[in-house]
Amino acid sequence: DTAVSQTPKYLVTQMGNDKSIKCEQNLGHDTMYWYKQDSKKFLKIMFSYNNKELIINETVPNRFSPKSPDKAHLNLHINSLELGDSAVYFCASSQKGTHGYTFGSGTRLTVV
Amino acid sequence: DAKTTQPPSMDCAEGRAANLPCNHSTISGNEYVYWYRQIHSQGPQYIIHGLKNNETNEMASLIITEDRKSSTLILPHATLRDTAVYYCIVRVASGGGADGLTFGKGTHLIIQP
Repeated sequence: DTAVSQTPKYLVTQMGNDKSIKCEQNLGHDTMYWYKQDSKKFLKIMFSYNNKELIINETVPNRFSPKSPDKAHLNLHINSLELGDSAVYFCASSQKGTHGYTFGSGTRLTVV
Repeated sequence: DAKTTQPPSMDCAEGRAANLPCNHSTISGNEYVYWYRQIHSQGPQYIIHGLKNNETNEMASLIITEDRKSSTLILPHATLRDTAVYYCIVRVASGGGADGLTFGKGTHLIIQP
């Protein structure tokens, strides 16, 4: 009954590959997010998405693209992976009019 | 969103109350104070939030000064499992916001046995 679940938990891949991380929430929230936490432990928002609009942090390379097949899912596709993409990626969700955000347990991506 | 200032690290003995301060002197009238924590290798976890009044839930208490320029998160009986980075975030009501939450560096709270 995990509220926000991400798969895989760990992902090791070579430079230049294309990979996806999946995220699902069963909270009925209307907005989902992707965050990146780098080696210095800073948490930065990458995308927010609801059924109406996608907001992209302007610093995110266009190799990263979110895909939302439905309200409960927001997957992250990454093309042409680079060493600097190595980080922990967190999915989160929230509902307009409430206060809390619920985060997934993270996906540790290592590019070699 | 208003800027917050937190000490980078704090120690607390197990079983004692942990008091984590946060300064937010530029807070606006419609901005809330939110606290989250991140235990090692896990996603951030919501703890508590408040606007003007002090708040308490099963996890913690939040004390907001009368001028709202600072606040204190209190973990009444700290355990080893409370060792984590604690983030104080000030913003308008956060749910569903397109800009999400903005995390600073937080306070690394270490509970000593």
